Amino acid sequence: AQTVTQSQPEMSVQEAETVTLSCTYDTSESDYYLFWYKQPPSRQMILVIRQEAYKQQNATENRFSVNFQKAAKSFSLKISDSQLGDAAMYFCAYRGRGNEKLTFGTGTRLTIIP
Amino acid sequence: DAGVIQSPRHEVTEMGQEVTLRCKPISGHNSLFWYRQTMMRGLELLIYFNNNVPIDDSGMPEDRFSAKMPNASFSTLKIQPSEPRDSAVYFCASGTSGTYAVEQYFGPGTRLTVT
Repeated sequence: AQTVTQSQPEMSVQEAETVTLSCTYDTSESDYYLFWYKQPPSRQMILVIRQEAYKQQNATENRFSVNFQKAAKSFSLKISDSQLGDAAMYFCAYRGRGNEKLTFGTGTRLTIIP
Repeated sequence: DAGVIQSPRHEVTEMGQEVTLRCKPISGHNSLFWYRQTMMRGLELLIYFNNNVPIDDSGMPEDRFSAKMPNASFSTLKIQPSEPRDSAVYFCASGTSGTYAVEQYFGPGTRLTVT
């Protein structure tokens, strides 16, 4: 079974600085998808970014980018120019190509310091 | 575009009562997912449907839980009888299977409290 591990329960960063959230996963599949979701206090789950395992290029969405290391089974999220609105729980998630089920990590709570 | 719609947003009920949670997926999506979020277990998939057919219900905790999807625009998750340990936030999500678009889009969730 696939597992997703987020080893940082909490992180904090100064506003306008850069922060990196870690995620590792375990799978025997070669083709899969990885996601980062954001959950602000409103509890709405918001998709931040996705990465296809077959793509070597790291995904980027504005201030959000990932560092995908397939061999190491690592998928970290970098947030540049942190803003107060980035404060939230961040969840890493895995999905196998042949299965629609999402497996989530336990989340990292990100605090932005003004 | 309307996102995934869930109702009610909050539900407080007494142990033993029946609870029904409702979900309307995004129009055009053919996959629907029910998740539960608790402090102890995090986010876990309960069941998902593809083209209104249940595909994987291995996450449904007990026979007290049941889910239906009578048509492409509506799904229910029912708990009967409810217990205090069912207290959680229940999310519905939708997506499009069999395409390049593999994302799931979540509704706002229903916070269930069973006393």
